[in-house]
Amino acid sequence: ETGVTQSPTHLIKTRGQQVTLRCSSQSGHNTVSWYQQALGQGPQFIFQYYREEENGRGNFPPRFSGLQFPNYSSELNVNALELDDSALYLCASRSHRDKTYEQYFGPGTRLTVT
Amino acid sequence: QKEVEQDPGPLSVPEGAIVSLNCTYSNSAFQYFMWYRQYSRKGPELLMYTYSSGNKEDGRFTAQVDKSSKYISLFIRDSQPSDSATYLCAMSWAGTYKYIFGTGTRLKVLA
Repeated sequence: ETGVTQSPTHLIKTRGQQVTLRCSSQSGHNTVSWYQQALGQGPQFIFQYYREEENGRGNFPPRFSGLQFPNYSSELNVNALELDDSALYLCASRSHRDKTYEQYFGPGTRLTVT
Repeated sequence: QKEVEQDPGPLSVPEGAIVSLNCTYSNSAFQYFMWYRQYSRKGPELLMYTYSSGNKEDGRFTAQVDKSSKYISLFIRDSQPSDSATYLCAMSWAGTYKYIFGTGTRLKVLA
């Protein structure tokens, strides 16, 4: 167990709806990244938060947005859901003070869009 | 061409075999190389982390990085049925914490 927790475990939404996913980072970790993992694929980087600001983003449209809170927990919001948004959403945390690039992943939230 | 290429498998081996998993990459800026293990419907678990070239050993696992060939490997000795999972390679470079993942290789260790 990494200490990174995510909620909910899974959920089902309808196309066009909005969804919020939550992540609690490992103790002492102040940087959170979000990834999307489609079935049979590797995780794709969505964005990263440090000090409550987005400081890196992958090739995802603006309807993917996030927040980081003072306790380093984080949210991923997706608006106007599309069928292709169905995937496992992973958050990963690390300590910005660490000299290594090791990131630790949570168990993920499985989103199904119908 | 994808930045990171990984054979999706599946790779089936008998228990006790030595397993070799590989990734190739095209971006010479990559300096940080990771291997993750992912069980079905679970999050990835960090197995090995290597900076730059060379070898790193941890128990039954050995990670190798050959930057001149843009090739990384993970070896699993004395494989066990509990090693059956998808193995993901991931890479990153200085100044970013963005990881680029391979597609993952499915491994099945047969008892």
